[in-house]
Amino acid sequence: GQQVMQIPQYQHVQEGEDFTTYCNSSTTLSNIQWYKQRPGGHPVFLIQLVKSGEVKKQKRLTFQFGEAKKNSSLHITATQTTDVGTYFCAGWDNFNKFYFGSGTKLNVKP
Amino acid sequence: SAVISQKPSRDICQRGTSLTIQCQVDSQVTMMFWYRQQPGQSLTLIATANQGSEATYESGFVIDKFPISRPNLTFSTLTVSNMSPEDSSIYLCSVEYSSYNEQFFGPGTRLTVL
Repeated sequence: GQQVMQIPQYQHVQEGEDFTTYCNSSTTLSNIQWYKQRPGGHPVFLIQLVKSGEVKKQKRLTFQFGEAKKNSSLHITATQTTDVGTYFCAGWDNFNKFYFGSGTKLNVKP
Repeated sequence: SAVISQKPSRDICQRGTSLTIQCQVDSQVTMMFWYRQQPGQSLTLIATANQGSEATYESGFVIDKFPISRPNLTFSTLTVSNMSPEDSSIYLCSVEYSSYNEQFFGPGTRLTVL
């Protein structure tokens, strides 16, 4: 069945270092969304990408949607302790099914 | 944006009993979803509950185990029936104001089944 995997599963960085999580789908997605879940919290929407090859930026965060619309990445420049949490990609496939990725848990050491 | 509340926030239940989780939204919304999240895991969609139609369940989830009500555009309930320890999880509701767009999540209900 459809799978949306993220790597790495965990990432520990020193504050100020960069961080990237990669999202890979087994099938084409009509769009890709990114969510952040703080420890003990609920997922919070960050951004949505729709077009093949699309790149969007939010301050220190850069999001990319692959040309084939099967993969995506989130890059955080100069991480801060407030970036701690689990980052999930999610998307709709062409059969109207919505999937969350496996998630990448980010820990930032001050 | 949406303000979503869930009740209860947490509960500890005995095996074989049932628990009904409520989800209240501060504005009218057509699309509402119920998810399950095991500790440290991703979210798994249980069902879509659109007002005016029967809930649509994902593979592995059935109505007898997870009956859902959606009586109006601001409220829904999910019942976890005949619970076993394997049902211990966080249950979250979410809403979507327009198709294929961002979802807003409730704070979740942490369920422990003994």
